[in-house]
Amino acid sequence: DVLMTQSPLSLPVTLGQPASISCRSSQSLVHSDGNTYLNWFHQRPGQSPRRLIYKVSNRDSGVPDKFSASGSGTDFTLEISRVEADDVGVYYCMQGTHWPYTFGQGTKLEIK
Amino acid sequence: EVQLVESGGGLVQPGRSLRLSCTASGFTFGDHAMSWVRQAPGKGLEWLTFIRSKAYGGTTEYAASVKGRFTISRDDSKSIAYLQMNSLKTEDTAVYYCTRSQHTLSSWGRGTLVTVSS
Repeated sequence: DVLMTQSPLSLPVTLGQPASISCRSSQSLVHSDGNTYLNWFHQRPGQSPRRLIYKVSNRDSGVPDKFSASGSGTDFTLEISRVEADDVGVYYCMQGTHWPYTFGQGTKLEIK
Repeated sequence: EVQLVESGGGLVQPGRSLRLSCTASGFTFGDHAMSWVRQAPGKGLEWLTFIRSKAYGGTTEYAASVKGRFTISRDDSKSIAYLQMNSLKTEDTAVYYCTRSQHTLSSWGRGTLVTVSS
């Protein structure tokens, strides 16, 4: 199985400051169809996950542009330019290239 | 607006069966693959299974943890995806989420809690 490793696992951030989460996969996430199925999700406490980013860097509708993502191959990053209170929760990366699809362990973002 | 509503969760004894349903609305259900993901209490996310659309053969894939015990199916006429869970174990205790799509999990339901305990 493809191992997805996120860092850090805990991320205390001051309001208004930037945040960055790394996600590394144990093998390349380039699919045979040419797409790289690396997605990012945000789960607020007590809620279901919500997709933020799909295929490495595509923001979902309604996701503010303070969220950006990049990467290729096995190394990927999610960045938040200015953290707000509403951004707390757990962020997961997930690969949908190699079955079984796998998630990272999650990064818990909290306000310092 | 895309909506996915899971139902069928509850308390069940080890070794017994349960069937979850996911009722979809707001999109052409038959055009999309559907997946199930679960989250054990206080833990991370685990992708369990998906079923492709009929256009792609309606084929399925399963995680090793549930292969042979769980079966995903779909009824496009009713816009419902099912997860038949047999031989349940205590470690299957989790919130089960229905999601749309195969590779990218575009939309999620609120989940239904399954508790396996004697």
